[in-house]
Amino acid sequence: DGGITQSPKYLFRKEGQNVTLSCEQNLNHDAMYWYRQDPGQGLRLIYYSQIVNDFQKGDIAEGYSVSREKKESFPLTVTSAQKNPTAFYLCASSPGVHGYEQYFGPGTRLTVT
Amino acid sequence: DQQVKQNSPSLSVQEGRISILNCDYTNSMFDYFLWYKKYPAEGPTFLISISSIKDKNEDGRFTVFLNKSAKHLSLHIVPSQPGDSAVYFCAASYFGNEKLTFGTGTRLTIIP
Repeated sequence: DGGITQSPKYLFRKEGQNVTLSCEQNLNHDAMYWYRQDPGQGLRLIYYSQIVNDFQKGDIAEGYSVSREKKESFPLTVTSAQKNPTAFYLCASSPGVHGYEQYFGPGTRLTVT
Repeated sequence: DQQVKQNSPSLSVQEGRISILNCDYTNSMFDYFLWYKKYPAEGPTFLISISSIKDKNEDGRFTVFLNKSAKHLSLHIVPSQPGDSAVYFCAASYFGNEKLTFGTGTRLTIIP
C-alpha cells in the first residue's frame, strides 16, 4: 500500500526535552512538508523540502529542525526552544511543488507538560 | 496576514440538501486552489482542485467554483450525506511559491 506513515500517533514529553516525529512515504514523491494544527486554526507550515538534502523554513520554523537524508523520510525535531509545542503535527508529500495536491499522513498528537 | 479566509467557522445542512462552503483570498497571484476534508485526529484528504484557467470543476457530488474577479471560491456538495460531516479547508498556491496556504476551516455538520 502506498502512503504516508507518521509515528507515533500520540507522544508525551516533559518540558525541556527535544522530541523527534517520524514521517515516511513510499509514494516516490519529491516534496515533503510539515504542518502544525492548533484548535480553531488552519494548517501552518513549519518546514518543507523539495529534494533530498535541501529544505526551507515555512511560516513558523522557530523551535523546530528537520533533515532530509533520504527521499522517503522527513523527520521533524521539536526542540526545547519551541514555546508552545503541544499540537497536532501533520506530514505531507506531493509529486512536485506546484499544481499538485499534497497527500497527508494520519498525524501525531504531541503533548508537552 | 490571512491570505486565505474561510469566514464561516461552522455550517449545518440537512441531509440530502446542498452544502455550500465558501473561501476568499487576497493574493491575486494564487492560481491553483484545492479543497481538503478532515476528520478529527486524522490527516486531511484531498477532495478537488481547480486552476485559475477554469471557473468550475466537478467530481461526482463535489463541484468547485472559482470567481477570480471576486477572489472567491466555493465548494458545493450535492446531495449532502452524513459522512460529509467534517472540517473542510480550502488552500491556494501559485507558480513559483512552493507551499500551500490554508484557510482556517469550516466545520460542516449534516443533520439526518
